[in-house]
Amino acid sequence: NAGVMQNPRHLVRRRGQEARLRCSPMKGHSHVYWYRQLPEEGLKFMVYLQKENIIDESGMPKERFSAEFPKEGPSILRIQQVVRGDSAAYFCASSPGTLEQFFGPGTRLTVL
Amino acid sequence: QQQVKQSPQSLIVQKGGISIINCAYENTAFDYFPWYQQFPGKGPALLIAIRPDVSEKKEGRFTISFNKSAKQFSLHIMDSQPGDSATYFCAAFSSGSARQLTFGSGTQLTVLP
Repeated sequence: NAGVMQNPRHLVRRRGQEARLRCSPMKGHSHVYWYRQLPEEGLKFMVYLQKENIIDESGMPKERFSAEFPKEGPSILRIQQVVRGDSAAYFCASSPGTLEQFFGPGTRLTVL
Repeated sequence: QQQVKQSPQSLIVQKGGISIINCAYENTAFDYFPWYQQFPGKGPALLIAIRPDVSEKKEGRFTISFNKSAKQFSLHIMDSQPGDSATYFCAAFSSGSARQLTFGSGTQLTVLP
């Protein structure tokens, strides 16, 4: 039973480019959460999605960031026109709808 | 009110010793308190979790103590091993409205051989 998968594991972008981060939840999990971790800090909630629906995006910056979880395929976190402050590790977690959330290995985004 | 405060920031323990990490919260809507272990370059892994209707939960060498009235909970690692060296995060979750994990700032544990 594969765990949460995220790709790419490392992503380098120049300022102004777009970053697309993908997350495939564990089999049977229809709830996906995205968190951001800045260096030496804890994880901060960004967005909570179920299939085809955004349930809570209260932690998502209002501009340049968007997320989706289509009926088929992985969840996507999209960052448009990246800036240096977007450099961080982005983690996806999935849940079958219970309390537990299981995290993927993360995508480490570096903005040059 | 959404914050979870964690201490200490770093902890050094001798092999075989007890590691203790503390967390405190304000939001009484929190009803699930997990602990995560994170190794460098990896994602957080769920270690152990507790609901507020119990005061203690033990799994192997890991124990959570929960004080509902003080709004505090702690992780105890008994017989600490060098392989336990990692960053530990406490978190809190409300199964009501805001179904998101609120994390503490982390504790970097080093267990000396």
